[in-house]
Amino acid sequence: DGGITQSPKYLFRKEGQNVTLSCEQNLNHDAMYWYRQDPGQGLRLIYYSQIVNDFQKGDIAEGYSVSREKKESFPLTVTSAQKNPTAFYLCASSMSTAGTRAGELFFGEGSRLTVL
Amino acid sequence: AQSVTQLDSQVPVFEEAPVELRCNYSSSVSVYLFWYVQYPNQGLQLLLKYLSGSTLVESINGFEAEFNKSQTSFHLRKPSVHISDTAEYFCAVITYNTDKLIFGTGTRLQVFP
Repeated sequence: DGGITQSPKYLFRKEGQNVTLSCEQNLNHDAMYWYRQDPGQGLRLIYYSQIVNDFQKGDIAEGYSVSREKKESFPLTVTSAQKNPTAFYLCASSMSTAGTRAGELFFGEGSRLTVL
Repeated sequence: AQSVTQLDSQVPVFEEAPVELRCNYSSSVSVYLFWYVQYPNQGLQLLLKYLSGSTLVESINGFEAEFNKSQTSFHLRKPSVHISDTAEYFCAVITYNTDKLIFGTGTRLQVFP
């Protein structure tokens, strides 16, 4: 089945450590996104990528980094510079970032990161 | 700048009762509108969308939403809810000229037996 796979589902990290969240899609979508979800705040965009080897900062990019070396993969690294990293992280993809397609996102099941 | 407001953070309702989840948006240009649903510990799924044409749009599981341009609203309704409808619902908007999807803060629908 086509879809988006995120791993790990749950992750614990000590303060000061970097951690990388995996996101893989087999939908052949050009665009991929990372969102952060906190209770009562909805979804906030961290980074997005329209095409391989290119990505742009979203609204809350500080303390995060990404890469897009392959069309199907868009890993997110939460660095030690991120002051409040405990959250639920969602990866998504869409056919493109243009027009109506930009609103039709397919989401993974999320990764819950807890910093101890 | 565009924005989305979901006034109700939580909506408790009994099974088989009707429900309305409110969504208002702010934009000076034309918009596309979406409702997403998130079941516990899962990602979001697209529930329905308004792109153009008929202002009333429906989902496969009995939800409907009506685009009201004069009131800048896109409320989600269901005439009779099930326990399985318990989830968080997010309204989202994208304008014709930005391609940036903005999400509301979500409404948690809790259906009781």
